[in-house]
Amino acid sequence: EPEVTQTPSHQVTQMGQEVILRCVPISNHLYFYWYRQILGQKVEFLVSFYNNEISEKSEIFDDQFSVERPDGSNFTLKIRSTKLEDSAMYFCASIATGMNYGYTFGSGTRLTVV
Amino acid sequence: AQSVTQPDIHITVSEGASLELRCNYSYGATPYLFWYVQSPGQGLQLLLKYFSGDTLVQGIKGFEAEFKRSQSSFNLRKPSVHWSDAAEYFCAVGPPQGAQKLVFGQGTRLTINP
Repeated sequence: EPEVTQTPSHQVTQMGQEVILRCVPISNHLYFYWYRQILGQKVEFLVSFYNNEISEKSEIFDDQFSVERPDGSNFTLKIRSTKLEDSAMYFCASIATGMNYGYTFGSGTRLTVV
Repeated sequence: AQSVTQPDIHITVSEGASLELRCNYSYGATPYLFWYVQSPGQGLQLLLKYFSGDTLVQGIKGFEAEFKRSQSSFNLRKPSVHWSDAAEYFCAVGPPQGAQKLVFGQGTRLTINP
């Protein structure tokens, strides 16, 4: 079964450093998402991406965050200057088209900011 | 505003017992409804989904869920739980049109007693 692949599985970074989280969505999918889950809390939407541009973003997704699909396969989330409160599990997801297929989520990247 | 409520933060059941996890939603129209399961340190796996039609939907791992429009509920059930069902369960809703974001509940942590 096709999978959404996320790397790395765990990243530790110092506060103020830039991090890039990588995702390889399912190849024929057209819509891409990032969600995050702070430890013990609910999964929260960050941003959606379609046709090479952001289609929706949450209030969490401020100027410190950016997304990119640099080469037609990878989908990246960049945090320019990490804060302690950015520590969370970050999930990438993709869907083919519309909602009928349901999201396929990756296994997540656990980001720890120290 | 869109919201999902999972009233039970933590549920403990004995192996072989039946299970029901509650989910209530607040939405402008009938949304698409999902249940996801998250094993410790793992990603989100889709258990089942409801879009329309039969209000009782079957999912993987022996789970089912029933949509009740009058109660704005989408409760998850399993007739006999297994130790491997211990995990976090998330209910989520999404709009019926377009590939837009999901809104998640807080999650219910399921513990299985041997």
